[in-house]
Amino acid sequence: GENVEQHPSTLSVQEGDSAVIKCTYSDSASNYFPWYKQELGKRPQLIIDIRSNVGEKKDQRIAVTLNKTAKHFSLHITETQPEDSAVYFCAAKHNYGQNFVFGPGTRLSVLP
Amino acid sequence: NAGVMQNPRHLVRRRGQEARLRCSPMKGHSHVYWYRQLPEEGLKFMVYLQKENIIDESGMPKERFSAEFPKEGPSILRIQQVVRGDSAAYFCASSVTGVVGTDTQYFGPGTRLTVL
Repeated sequence: GENVEQHPSTLSVQEGDSAVIKCTYSDSASNYFPWYKQELGKRPQLIIDIRSNVGEKKDQRIAVTLNKTAKHFSLHITETQPEDSAVYFCAAKHNYGQNFVFGPGTRLSVLP
Repeated sequence: NAGVMQNPRHLVRRRGQEARLRCSPMKGHSHVYWYRQLPEEGLKFMVYLQKENIIDESGMPKERFSAEFPKEGPSILRIQQVVRGDSAAYFCASSVTGVVGTDTQYFGPGTRLTVL
């Protein structure tokens, strides 16, 4: 079955700097890769997603890149702000799979 | 359009009691997923349901746990004879379908189960 790894497990950046979180997946048939942000005690919220027919997607300060050959995808946050501090989860899914496999999460701390 | 609803938000049970967690999907969504999250850990898939049908229960323990999504009403995750190890946050997510393009999952606020 699918296995998703995520690095780093914790990440601290200064406010205004960029943050990059990387995930790798094992099943080459996976073709949908969402990213969720979870603040302490809150629900996971979808922040951006990408499907395998594109290599990059951007939404304001957030971007996701996908390398299907290497089977990895990354979340990029530019101009980080304190409110970006949260745990970020990546996930992978394929057409004939019925559920998502989540990475273990990255705790991002943006220091003022 | 109301989001995914879960109740109760907090549930306290003593060992050996039953816990019932409810999830109402977003309007127009007919697919429901249950996940368990232990403190400081990720989301672990438990079960995937459509109306009146369990599609995938590969992540759900065979004993004490069951799930349903009836034709009318919310999806229910039921844990019988709870033990301390069942203490966790249980999240429900819903999607329109499981098909590409309409399979984006949106999460509810979760039910935090504490077993004393």
